Amino acid sequence: GAGVSQSPRYKVAKRGQDVALRCDPISGHVSLFWYQQALGQGPEFLTYFQNEAQLDKSGLPSDRFFAERPEGSVSTLKIQRTQQEDSAVYLCASSLKEVTSSYNSPLHFGNGTRLTVT
Amino acid sequence: DQQVKQNSPSLSVQEGRISILNCDYTNSMFDYFLWYKKYPAEGPTFLISISSIKDKNEDGRFTVFLNKSAKHLSLHIVPSQPGDSAVYFCAASDSSTNAGKSTFGDGTTLTVKP
Repeated sequence: GAGVSQSPRYKVAKRGQDVALRCDPISGHVSLFWYQQALGQGPEFLTYFQNEAQLDKSGLPSDRFFAERPEGSVSTLKIQRTQQEDSAVYLCASSLKEVTSSYNSPLHFGNGTRLTVT
Repeated sequence: DQQVKQNSPSLSVQEGRISILNCDYTNSMFDYFLWYKKYPAEGPTFLISISSIKDKNEDGRFTVFLNKSAKHLSLHIVPSQPGDSAVYFCAASDSSTNAGKSTFGDGTTLTVKP
């Protein structure tokens, strides 16, 4: 289908390993968001891209977390030296318009990547 | 301190009846509110939203009510159907343009029994 695609679906990492999570947004979508969802909780905002520009990274929990979207389409969330508290579902969402637009453009979420750090 | 609270972790309703899901918030800067629905192993899906200039918004079987003075909103589903069984998240932001940076509640699991 033409939805937001995330890979891998599941990732198990040993503590201290680096991981990379991929997000393919809906084609043509300007805005892209990453969220972290811990078990039993709602999603928490991590970072936002408008095309290739990372306009907000206020939600990234530490400098071990890094995100990029170099060509304004696919995005990668990288976590270095993973810790057990990083275990969560990482959700990506995209929307058609830039956030600064007054038009209410709904978010389309992917199915997430479940990261387990052992 | 949780700024968006969904105090009922679960709700069970008979098919055909009304489902009422509640949400409270503490941040007076919140001006735009959304409800998302989430099936297991899938990402959330946007359901309905409301701006603080309104106290009600309706879309088919789904109606959201906002009581700004009480900092409370609710989602009504009438009539409830078994396919509505899912986790429902309430979310709030300071404007519609910042909806992507919303603060989410922890969700309420709705079960609609046939």
